[in-house]
This record gives sequence, C-alpha cells and structure tokens, in this order.
Amino acid sequence: DGGITQSPKYLFRKEGQNVTLSCEQNLNHDAMYWYRQDPGQGLRLIYYSQIVNDFQKGDIAEGYSVSREKKESFPLTVTSAQKNPTAFYLCASGTSGSTDTQYFGPGTRLTVL
Amino acid sequence: SQQGEEDPQALSIQEGENATMNCSYKTSINNLQWYRQNSGRGLVHLILIRSNEREKHSGRLRVTLDTSKKSSSLLITASRAADTASYFCASSDAGSYQLTFGKGTKLSVIP
Repeated sequence: DGGITQSPKYLFRKEGQNVTLSCEQNLNHDAMYWYRQDPGQGLRLIYYSQIVNDFQKGDIAEGYSVSREKKESFPLTVTSAQKNPTAFYLCASGTSGSTDTQYFGPGTRLTVL
Repeated sequence: SQQGEEDPQALSIQEGENATMNCSYKTSINNLQWYRQNSGRGLVHLILIRSNEREKHSGRLRVTLDTSKKSSSLLITASRAADTASYFCASSDAGSYQLTFGKGTKLSVIP
C-alpha cells in the first residue's frame, strides 16, 4: 500500500449523516484521486486533484465533496445526498500531469446502517 | 468515460499452470496498466505498457498490447497460490489525466 494511509478501515454511517474519509500520503505526489468500488466491479472515479487547492469532478461526483488544502491530504466527505453510499473507497496518488502509475491506499469500507 | 472489459470474469487454474487475462478498451490510449487487488485491499501496480509498445515483461508477467484491436493481455506464467487475486486493467485515454478501470478478472490458483 506504499506511502498512502486511509482511515478508518471500516466506517458505519446512519442514514442522513455526513461522514469524512481520510487519505494521507508521504510520497510527495501532487495528484490524488478518490475511487469507489462496488462488489464485483471495477473502480469509478469520484474526484481528483492535480495540485493543492484545486480539484475536479470525476464520473460519479454527485453526493460527494473533497478539499485539498495540503499536498499530503485529500479527505472525502460522503454527504447525505449520496443515495447509495455503501461501498469500498480507495484513495490513490500519482505524478501530476501524468497517467503513469497510481499508488493506492488500503481502502475504507463504508456501510450505511 | 467507458470502462474497459476484462475477460474472463473469473478464472480457476492449478498451481504451475499459466493464466491469461484479456482486456479491451474503447478509445485511443496513452498507456495501459495492470493492477492486482487482494481481497479487501488496495490495488498494487503490476506493469505499464505504452501505446507505442507491443510487449513487455516483468518477472513472470508478460503483457501484450494490440492498439489496432484495442486489446491487451496479461499472462502470468508458472502460477502460484499467492497469485490468487483480482486483476484489473486500466487505460489512460489520450488527452486525459484519468485512468479508466475494467471490472477485473478474479483469478484463483489452486495448490
């Protein structure tokens, strides 16, 4: 899992609550990414950031928000507007302006109760 | 963006056999990458092949790329039980900084 940490490993949320997933990297990467993975499925891009204080929507951004105040950190908030948030969330980092290797964290499994 | 497709969805082989997984994609690409995911874990990068390359090797891994057919294959030779995992291809579309992941092939290597 390289130099990327995600916390918590497991997260339970009640309907109507916002929750924030943490992602930290010490690889000195400018680019960071959030993906969602559903059972038996590939990864879908939620948000990405190529540089501090800038981020872009991915394919499934609705119901999610992010911030990028520090190079090392890219937290993801799952809001109550996300209708089906139960999934496995993966954070990754890489070189900005490049589509070469991405380095992934261990993931956070979010379950809505 | 459209996801690529891996084939087969699941593959079960005996230890020592070779495993071949295929990936198709839809657009012109900068590169194509293969990742491995153990159950409940993050993805680990295995190998990257650029659009101007046709074949690449890394240890027991061999990747081919056919841009005319928009397809790639991953061959794992002399498989081991520890190779049991899901394998994903990810294509980097020309002009984009995003990776598009396929749905993966679940490989089971039986000791």
